[in-house]
Amino acid sequence: DIQMTQSPSSLSASVGDRVTITCRASHDISNYLAWFQQKPGKAPKSLIYAASSLQSGVPSKFSGSGSGTDFTLTISSLQPEDSATYYCQQYNTYPWTFGQGTKVEIK
Amino acid sequence: QLLESGGGLVQPGGSLRLSCAASGFTFSDYVMSWVRQAPGKGLEWVSGISNSGGSTYYADSVKGRFTISRDNSKNTLFLQMNSLRVEDTAVYFCAKEQYSIIVLWGQGTMVTVSS
Repeated sequence: DIQMTQSPSSLSASVGDRVTITCRASHDISNYLAWFQQKPGKAPKSLIYAASSLQSGVPSKFSGSGSGTDFTLTISSLQPEDSATYYCQQYNTYPWTFGQGTKVEIK
Repeated sequence: QLLESGGGLVQPGGSLRLSCAASGFTFSDYVMSWVRQAPGKGLEWVSGISNSGGSTYYADSVKGRFTISRDNSKNTLFLQMNSLRVEDTAVYFCAKEQYSIIVLWGQGTMVTVSS
């Protein structure tokens, strides 16, 4: 199975900060990577697919990059509503696998 | 929209069948999956099924115990869970895929395995 490792596990940042989360795959997954946002008690929300393409309706402050084994999710200007846990997921090879999550908090 | 049902409390070794009712899209055109989340933990993909139902995929953790199926005439996805273990306790989400990308999530149904 392909293992997905996110870092950091959690972070605290101020409103307006630029925040970057990294995700590393144990094998080359090309660009078959998605990012999700999940708030407490809610279903995940799809943010990005194909490593860098925004899902419809997702604000442009979210961006993704990377290919192969190393990927990043960036929030350009952190807002209170961005407080959530973020997950990466590979869909290159079954079984699909998720990173362990990164909890983003507002200072 | 995806609406899960069928969760509840079951004893270890027991069985449960989850359902996911789909609406607002042509159900038979899409691959569907189940993803679960244990309390306070991350997301774990459990199983997937092709649009026709002819191909199924499972995580090693549930292979041989869980069976995914679908009824395209009723726009419904199922997950039959047998030989349940305490570690199967989780919220179970159904998800719609497009080109292998999860694009829509249900709200989830809670499964608790406990004696």
